[in-house]
Amino acid sequence: DAKTTQPPSMDCAEGRAANLPCNHSTISGNEYVYWYRQIHSQGPQYIIHGLKNNETNEMASLIITEDRKSSTLILPHATLRDTAVYYCIVRARRRFNTGTASKLTFGTGTRLQVTL
Amino acid sequence: ETGVTQTPRHLVMGMTNKKSLKCEQHLGHNAMYWYKQSAKKPLELMFVYNFKEQTENNSVPSRFSPECPNSSHLFLHLHTLQPEDSALYLCASSQEGGDTEAFFGQGTRLTVV
Repeated sequence: DAKTTQPPSMDCAEGRAANLPCNHSTISGNEYVYWYRQIHSQGPQYIIHGLKNNETNEMASLIITEDRKSSTLILPHATLRDTAVYYCIVRARRRFNTGTASKLTFGTGTRLQVTL
Repeated sequence: ETGVTQTPRHLVMGMTNKKSLKCEQHLGHNAMYWYKQSAKKPLELMFVYNFKEQTENNSVPSRFSPECPNSSHLFLHLHTLQPEDSALYLCASSQEGGDTEAFFGQGTRLTVV
């Protein structure tokens, strides 16, 4: 699986949009971009994923550049409860079970601090 | 609630004890994982199971022994651990060959004394 690069930390004021960047310049054609977050001492929580089109769900939006070498996770109106470590992961997605699981490899992520 | 349940949530054990961590998923997934997260470190993948068969062991010491009796249950048996094994142990599940993401349990906070 391709490696990703994220800034170690970011701050965001409550109510403002939080834009978290991720570089994945070695991503290959069958790899998706996934975002997870981990609130202190809890299990990681899935946020969103995408291949090449921009995606939006109730939690966030994902913007992927046309060359797919980078992406941005957008939390449109950050709250204090969004303070967490955010992980950008690229992972192959298989249509069939090949007998080996496509694992998630976590880096160090971005620590987002939302402040009043 | 993610559908992945880990018990116990907290565990303190001595270095000579034997204990087990349990993970259960009710999502119908066919792959399950154990991760370890030490203080201020990234999650480290330990073991991967696909349809009850172990498909990956990331050079984990033998004092950690996984067991997957069926696709819904995963155990991590612990014996003669060291203080440096104190960490958050996380279980996850996913559907390989399907359209679902990996979901994580809340973890077991293990302290070895």
